[in-house]
Amino acid sequence: TQLLEQSPQFLSIQEGENLTVYCNSSSVFSSLQWYRQEPGEGPVLLVTVVTGGEVKKLKRLTFQFGDARKDSSLHITAAQPGDTGLYLCAGYNFNKFYFGSGTKLNVKP
Amino acid sequence: NAGVTQTPKFQVLKTGQSMTLQCAQDMNHNSMYWYRQDPGMGLRLIYYSASEGTTDKGEVPDGYNVSRLKKQNFLLGLESAAPSQTSVYFCASSYSWLAVQYFGPGTRLTVT
Repeated sequence: TQLLEQSPQFLSIQEGENLTVYCNSSSVFSSLQWYRQEPGEGPVLLVTVVTGGEVKKLKRLTFQFGDARKDSSLHITAAQPGDTGLYLCAGYNFNKFYFGSGTKLNVKP
Repeated sequence: NAGVTQTPKFQVLKTGQSMTLQCAQDMNHNSMYWYRQDPGMGLRLIYYSASEGTTDKGEVPDGYNVSRLKKQNFLLGLESAAPSQTSVYFCASSYSWLAVQYFGPGTRLTVT
């Protein structure tokens, strides 16, 4: 089993604050995805990172893939209530995806 | 495009009953997946199929069976339901070489 650990498990912040969510593993992945899931729905892909050291920006969200392709981070700048949700990372190897347990983010207005 | 659809959305079973969860995708994806999601946990892979006619076990396959007779459909069967199988089940599909998954809306299953 290729384990992915996410931290923190829960995060409750005020609107306008910055935050970082981490996804760590002892395994090397060929790519890593970040998903956001809202209650009662399936996860929705935010980004895929493929190259070690890669940084991708999606508006206020910045994703980084570690140099060794074992870890990743998601940074949100000036969080908004619409960012509230469960953030999941998933590593991909050999046609299978391995999910972390998720970070539950609550952004209070 | 409907994407990935799942039926039913909700189901209540008694211990020992059997049922089949259905998943369909209209994106011509080669790979399809079944996951379960339990409170406080991420998604755990039950079974996956890399192509029509092939299936492989994931992390938690015990008590389940699958079939992929057509490229667009992936069925998940519960042979004899147990309370431990109470969960939300998600189906997903992907172009395996893109490593991007598209998820269905989920089936919420309760076994009493």
